Amino acid sequence: QSVLTQPPSASGTPGQRVTISCSGSSSNIGRNTVNWYQQFPGTAPKLLIYSNNQRPSGVPDRFSGSKSGTSASLAISGLQSEDEADYSCAAWDDSLNGVVFGGGTELTVL
Amino acid sequence: QITLKESGPTLLKPTQTLTLTCTFSGFSLSTSAVGVGWIRQPPRKALEWLALIYWDDDKRYSPSLKSRLTITKDTSKNQVVLTMTNMDPVDTATYYCAHWPSGYLYFDLWGRGTVVTVSS
Repeated sequence: QSVLTQPPSASGTPGQRVTISCSGSSSNIGRNTVNWYQQFPGTAPKLLIYSNNQRPSGVPDRFSGSKSGTSASLAISGLQSEDEADYSCAAWDDSLNGVVFGGGTELTVL
Repeated sequence: QITLKESGPTLLKPTQTLTLTCTFSGFSLSTSAVGVGWIRQPPRKALEWLALIYWDDDKRYSPSLKSRLTITKDTSKNQVVLTMTNMDPVDTATYYCAHWPSGYLYFDLWGRGTVVTVSS
């Protein structure tokens, strides 16, 4: 059971806008920034969004992040087939004094 | 360019101790506020943070696994070592090490991971 809660799956058609939610608590998302990772089967996670809404160099601006209270969201606009992957949120937890992850969301492009 | 690479045994028997080494390049663990951490992912399951060691040897452990984990660093060799005692089949997973950048609260760059299977 992951500390951060994500829907197990999401889907969309090419060109659509899809959002993935991440719910936490006051000790993690409520106090600290949220980060998102993209992971393809058999590969390591790649940092997609950091500090709630910042994109590392090379990440398309189709990907955006937001945070409100104890929840966060990842939005993907102009969905493309190559976006089909697993997406996980993460944050520092002040109570656990460590990093907590979401359970991951498997995104399918129909 | 920062790179990290995990190494260690691929197969362990229950009750054995796992020792994993993360060898990195492109940064120094003597730089203020930099860290290296370990994360694992069982097959078809979520990522789970295990441990983090900072430049000043400060260490953080997952509360649920703290009694079984030890993380150490060798700055001169650019290596971080994680040991996990009393391995069980439920510990079967891909184990990743990752870079913790100075002044931030996330892992930005990850190694490719190493698969560890625990089976009798």
